[in-house]
Amino acid sequence: SQTIHQWPATLVQPVGSPLSLECTVEGTSNPNLYWYRQAAGRGLQLLFYSVGIGQISSEVPQNLSASRPQDRQFILSSKKLLLSDSGFYLCAWGRQGVDTEAFFGQGTRLTVV
Amino acid sequence: AQTVTQSQPEMSVQEAETVTLSCTYDTSESNYYLFWYKQPPSRQMILVIRQEAYKQQNATENRFSVNFQKAAKSFSLKISDSQLGDTAMYFCAFLLGGSQGNLIFGKGTKLSVKP
Repeated sequence: SQTIHQWPATLVQPVGSPLSLECTVEGTSNPNLYWYRQAAGRGLQLLFYSVGIGQISSEVPQNLSASRPQDRQFILSSKKLLLSDSGFYLCAWGRQGVDTEAFFGQGTRLTVV
Repeated sequence: AQTVTQSQPEMSVQEAETVTLSCTYDTSESNYYLFWYKQPPSRQMILVIRQEAYKQQNATENRFSVNFQKAAKSFSLKISDSQLGDTAMYFCAFLLGGSQGNLIFGKGTKLSVKP
């Protein structure tokens, strides 16, 4: 069966510090991968998605970037965090080439102080 | 552009009763899918139910069922025999066919099940 791992679960970082959140998927190959952000009182906003290694599409301009160095690894990064980057970040995967639901990781609560 | 609207920020229901959560969406496309996700206090998003737009029959999953009104662009979720474990945020989501799985979410409805 497929599983998705996301870490860390919580993170407190000072303004201006770098960020690296990691997500890995097991039990499937060539998945679509996604990073979503959930702000308080709002639904989920898609930040990045990837259909293959090195292929990243950005949905909103921002202080963040994403990379996919391996087939089942997706990384969310920032060089310098802003207060507005605080939120709940969720990684998800979906089946390549199939219109299907996304399967989510457990999320990372990021607080920028 | 597609949008998803959940007009009920919060709802409550007594244990064992039935509750319906509302969702409307806007699209000019004909090939799409709709989902309800549940986000309990643990924060992990869990798929509750899925509906293909081309299917006329409403989807059901145990105590969860939907009322899919395509012409009205409405997709409500009915929870029967509500349980305390149903307490969660519920999100309606839209997926355009062929869009690489990019889900569009509503803002959510916070459901509280009271004993």
